[in-house]
Amino acid sequence: DIQMTQSPYSVSASVGDRVIITCRASQAVSSWLAWYQQKPGKAPDLLIYATSSLEDGVPSRFSGSGSGTDFTLTISSLQPEDFATYYCQQAHSFPWTFGQGTKVEIK
Amino acid sequence: EVQLVESGGGLVQPGGSLRLSCVASGFIYSSHSMNWVRQAPGKGLEWVAYIRSSDGSIYYADSVKGRFTISRDDAKNSLYLQMNSLRAEDTAVYYCARDYRYSFLNWGQGTLVTVSS
Repeated sequence: DIQMTQSPYSVSASVGDRVIITCRASQAVSSWLAWYQQKPGKAPDLLIYATSSLEDGVPSRFSGSGSGTDFTLTISSLQPEDFATYYCQQAHSFPWTFGQGTKVEIK
Repeated sequence: EVQLVESGGGLVQPGGSLRLSCVASGFIYSSHSMNWVRQAPGKGLEWVAYIRSSDGSIYYADSVKGRFTISRDDAKNSLYLQMNSLRAEDTAVYYCARDYRYSFLNWGQGTLVTVSS
């Protein structure tokens, strides 16, 4: 199984900050890497699919990049509504797997 | 508007069974592969099962293989998860999710399964 490791586990940031979350796969996952945002008590929302494609309606301050085993989610200017937990997910091979999550908290 | 509505969760004893359902609307259901994803209380997300729209291929997480069965009824726009031999570690909110380019585009509100005596 492909293990997905996110870092950091949590980050404390202020509104307007640039936040970068990394996701490392235990083996190459081609471009089938997605990112989700989840707020407490809610289902996750898809932000980015296929490494860098922004889902419709997602603000352009979110961006994804990477290849092979190393991927990043960047929030260019953190907004109040962005405080949440973020997950990466690989779909290169079954079983599909998620990272453990990164909680973005208010500083 | 795309909607996915899960039902069938509840309290079940260890070793028991439960069948989850998910009714889809707002898109051509038969054209989309579907998934079940779960989240234990206070924990992260875990993919559970996938069923492909084109050929019915099915895949499971190792943790549920042999105990859970995913199925679909395209005439009823419905997805199912039959869960047998339930364990305490299966306690979670179960979401159905529509596949889009191997990601989970739309999610239901989730249904809570609690396995406890």
